[in-house]
Amino acid sequence: DTAVSQTPKYLVTQMGNDKSIKCEQNLGHDTMYWYKQDSKKFLKIMFSYNNKELIINETVPNRFSPKSPDKAHLNLHINSLELGDSAVYFCASSGASGGAVDTQYFGPGTRLTVL
Amino acid sequence: AQSVTQLGSHVSVSEGALVLLRCNYSSSVPPYLFWYVQYPNQGLQLLLKYTSAATLVKGINGFEAEFKKSETSFHLTKPSAHMSDAAEYFCAVSDARGAQKLVFGQGTRLTINP
Repeated sequence: DTAVSQTPKYLVTQMGNDKSIKCEQNLGHDTMYWYKQDSKKFLKIMFSYNNKELIINETVPNRFSPKSPDKAHLNLHINSLELGDSAVYFCASSGASGGAVDTQYFGPGTRLTVL
Repeated sequence: AQSVTQLGSHVSVSEGALVLLRCNYSSSVPPYLFWYVQYPNQGLQLLLKYTSAATLVKGINGFEAEFKKSETSFHLTKPSAHMSDAAEYFCAVSDARGAQKLVFGQGTRLTINP
């Protein structure tokens, strides 16, 4: 049983297109995250949701819009894709709520390539 | 603001040798510190974490790390490297007072020579 799953695993698309990445966790966690890993392997948080409420929104372009239909799902929609959006996007989840610290469990990643 | 610096983007050791991956952090509040491992084409897996209990933390796969406040360090060690340890290793810091946000270092690629 996969704890944190993402679809698709690979995504190749043209500049200007709109695409979505889906994430699901079956761990019963309250908090979910999106991270971006660039070509130099640098990881940076983009968003975090707790019980469907946005709690972290880093300096990410408005073209990126997370959506959490329920606390087990956190999808990432990207409008008007640009070359610089090419990266690996990781979803993660944790049981943390508010100030508590808990282990973040990561999905396998979605490699997005914008041509 | 919190930050993490990993010294050495690439470390190479022989099988059976000591593994030492360096991590220094900067934080204005007591930090929580983590080491994650990423195998090729996979997500990140937690190796160990420091959450203000014991300063010497033992993790999975024989790894351990020691929190040294005076040196603002959290170096990762393993006494004897295995070929299966070859991977990318990330040190991360978080401030548990606010929303949990991991700030990662730039990663260290560990290569094991036979």
